[in-house]
Amino acid sequence: DAGVIQSPRHEVTEMGQEVTLRCKPISGHNSLFWYRQTMMRGLELLIYFNNNVPIDDSGMPEDRFSAKMPNASFSTLKIQPSEPRDSAVYFCASTPDRGGVNEQFFGPGTRLTVL
Amino acid sequence: KQEVTQIPAALSVPEGENLVLNCSFTDSAIYNLQWFRQDPGKGLTSLLLIQSSQREQTSGRLNASLDKSSGRSTLYIAASQPGDSATYLCAVRGGYNKLIFGAGTRLAVHP
Repeated sequence: DAGVIQSPRHEVTEMGQEVTLRCKPISGHNSLFWYRQTMMRGLELLIYFNNNVPIDDSGMPEDRFSAKMPNASFSTLKIQPSEPRDSAVYFCASTPDRGGVNEQFFGPGTRLTVL
Repeated sequence: KQEVTQIPAALSVPEGENLVLNCSFTDSAIYNLQWFRQDPGKGLTSLLLIQSSQREQTSGRLNASLDKSSGRSTLYIAASQPGDSATYLCAVRGGYNKLIFGAGTRLAVHP
């Protein structure tokens, strides 16, 4: 298995531009998570999907952030308009959600820089 | 609200030493606890997962213990090597698969 796949790996954009981050979870995993990592705040959960349905989006910082999961093999995280304070590494993770044993597997991350 | 604390924040040791990294959490109602490794500029690699009903898990030179009632976990690294240099993160799982992470321990093992 290729693991969790994220694209792009690096993104540099200017303030006000739309940014779309992409994630392909591990095949057969039915839960998907988007995290953000910064020096100041560490790793924070943004949103969690189960069977393509958003379950908990309480971590989404504001309305500029939106996430979708149109099918079991693809998810996007969109920021519109982007701001310099959105600069961070964004991770996607997936888990098979087998009762209590739900080990999360992380993608390599997308390093976002907003100028 | 669950809070996870890791001590120490940074650690520098000579090769060959046995190490203990500490993780504490405020709410003992957890499903499991997971230890991760993160290399600079990379993603997270899962090292060990301990279910709430378990006391410890072992993988090679790594041993993780869990004392749920006291809200503590330790990661023991035996005979440390320079290749072990990385940031080690612990995360506890609460409801809805939500992982709450500690800030990590940055480990440097020098030859």
